[in-house]
Amino acid sequence: AQKVTQAQTEISVVEKEDVTLDCVYETRDTTYYLFWYKQPPSGELVFLIRRNSFDEQNEISGRYSWNFQKSTSSFNFTITASQVVDSAVYFCALSEGPYNQGGKLIFGQGTELSVKP
Amino acid sequence: GAVVSQHPSWVICKSGTSVKIECRSLDFQATTMFWYRQFPKQSLMLMATSNEGSKATYEQGVEKDKFLINHASLTLSTLTVTSAHPEDSSFYICSAPPGLVIETQYFGPGTRLLVL
Repeated sequence: AQKVTQAQTEISVVEKEDVTLDCVYETRDTTYYLFWYKQPPSGELVFLIRRNSFDEQNEISGRYSWNFQKSTSSFNFTITASQVVDSAVYFCALSEGPYNQGGKLIFGQGTELSVKP
Repeated sequence: GAVVSQHPSWVICKSGTSVKIECRSLDFQATTMFWYRQFPKQSLMLMATSNEGSKATYEQGVEKDKFLINHASLTLSTLTVTSAHPEDSSFYICSAPPGLVIETQYFGPGTRLLVL
């Protein structure tokens, strides 16, 4: 069965610290997508990244970076030099298969990040 | 980019009433839409898959007679919470993937339901 685990329920850091949010997934499919979303207090989900199972290349976007390792079934997210505006709940999600029929997302439990000034 | 809207953004109702939530894809057609529910401090859980022109597919444990889904057109899906009770109070979010191949999911802004 597919599953996404975010073991860190809450993380608190001081501004400018680096922080890594862990995500471990389980799936039997060879084709799947992994996502990270940010959910600020307003509730609206903000898309951060999508990675397919055939692309293990790490990605950097500004202060954000992602480390995808199939060998450990992990897709970790790092924020460098965190800022107060990064405070939110972050969700890792898994989607199996390439088509809509399998496009439903399985979300992890979420990690609530608090960045203090 | 693609936009998905939801209406209303929040609703307060009395126990026993029915509430309809709309999910619209504004600049693309969506043959499939997904409905999620999120209780406070919890994750998003998929409730059902809405299919245009056919019946919705419900996840295990979700009462299809209580949560009625109608995918009336390629741009509109509605979720009706029938005979709502306080335990149905939650944040309801829809999503729609454009096209057949998953590129990303576009999420609506969500609807907060409070049943008194």
